[in-house]
Amino acid sequence: GAVVSQHPSRVICKSGTSVKIECRSLDFQATTMFWYRQFPKQSLMLMATSNEGSKATYEQGVEKDKFLINHASLTLSTLTVTSAHPEDSSFYICSARDPFGGGSKGYTFGSGTRLTVV
Amino acid sequence: SQQGEEDPQALSIQEGENATMNCSYKTSINNLQWYRQNSGRGLVHLILIRSNEREKHSGRLRVTLDTSKKSSSLLITASRAADTASYFCATDGGGATNKLIFGTGTLLAVQP
Repeated sequence: GAVVSQHPSRVICKSGTSVKIECRSLDFQATTMFWYRQFPKQSLMLMATSNEGSKATYEQGVEKDKFLINHASLTLSTLTVTSAHPEDSSFYICSARDPFGGGSKGYTFGSGTRLTVV
Repeated sequence: SQQGEEDPQALSIQEGENATMNCSYKTSINNLQWYRQNSGRGLVHLILIRSNEREKHSGRLRVTLDTSKKSSSLLITASRAADTASYFCATDGGGATNKLIFGTGTLLAVQP
């Protein structure tokens, strides 16, 4: 089945530094990937839609200069949290859908990245 | 943006009992999906129901969809302790990107 690999699974960084999170589709090509953010005991909030070969589409209220998204190939999207601050600490999850996986398959999610900014 | 609400927010039942979670959404949809999340982990796709379907089964899962009321329910029968997790509905409004918007979630605890 479709597999999405996300890493790192955990990262601790100092305030003011940048952190890059990778999301790879391992056995399918994804022209579109999605990035979500999840605070403790809350739901997933869509941050942006990552489009291969073009600019990402950000949801209202998400700073595109703060959360840089690059979708350089059909199997890799990256999210870079720039100049991270403690309020950026959260669980970040990516997802993708295998366009040939069958209509009942839904989306495949990465295992998430726990970012802690100290 | 948050698509809709789920209720209850939390549900605690005994093993063997059935668990029902409800989801309401706000806009027209292409399909509705249910996902499960164990604490601090990624999401696992459970079931997808299309907008022209009213009910769907998969193992111990039963999903209903009422597009006139913009609501869906997930029933887990004969629950097990291993079913303990958060459950989210997510709507796919279609369009060019098919982005998924999640509901607020239900935290299910199944007591052994």
